[in-house]
Amino acid sequence: AQSVTQPDIHITVSEGASLELRCNYSYGATPYLFWYVQSPGQGLQLLLKYFSGDTLVQGIKGFEAEFKRSQSSFNLRKPSVHWSDAAEYFCAVGAGTGNQFYFGTGTSLTVIP
Amino acid sequence: DAMVIQNPRYQVTQFGKPVTLSCSQTLNHNVMYWYQQKSSQAPKLLFHYYDKDFNNEADTPDNFQSRRPNTSFCFLDIRSPGLGDAAMYLCATSREPRGRGYEQYFGPGTRLTVT
Repeated sequence: AQSVTQPDIHITVSEGASLELRCNYSYGATPYLFWYVQSPGQGLQLLLKYFSGDTLVQGIKGFEAEFKRSQSSFNLRKPSVHWSDAAEYFCAVGAGTGNQFYFGTGTSLTVIP
Repeated sequence: DAMVIQNPRYQVTQFGKPVTLSCSQTLNHNVMYWYQQKSSQAPKLLFHYYDKDFNNEADTPDNFQSRRPNTSFCFLDIRSPGLGDAAMYLCATSREPRGRGYEQYFGPGTRLTVT
């Protein structure tokens, strides 16, 4: 069965530090991969997505993610975190058919001054 | 700006009293979704419409129903809310089904409280 794992429930980083949020998926073929962000009390917003081609994907707000087929991973990175990045981050996988879509359990990011 | 709008943002209802949440979109997307999200959890899909075709998730309680009278509007009806139905309800749209890789656009959500 397809699944998405975000191993880190909660991460705390200092403002200005680099960030990496982990995401692993379980799926036989190359899926569609997404990272969404949710600020407190708000809906989700797409940060970036991977369909095919270049495995390093650039997104909004200075985020990037790298697809590694050999590791079944799609980790999200940012070189320098801002206080406004504090939010919940969801990795998600689309498995190709209409409703085969799975969210990870989310990683909560706290940014300290 | 094209967007997904949810009304109200906050809704308080009494145990067992029917409640309706609304969602509208200006994106002209084919697919509209309703999610339930509880604290510190991922959104859980309740059902979605692909155009006029209704698709219910297998584990969505019968207490939850939906209507899509036209492309722009979609409603979530909770017939007899229980305390366990208190949650954030998110509406989302996509041009085509999310599993095929289409981005979902989310509304800001309606926070439902059941007293």
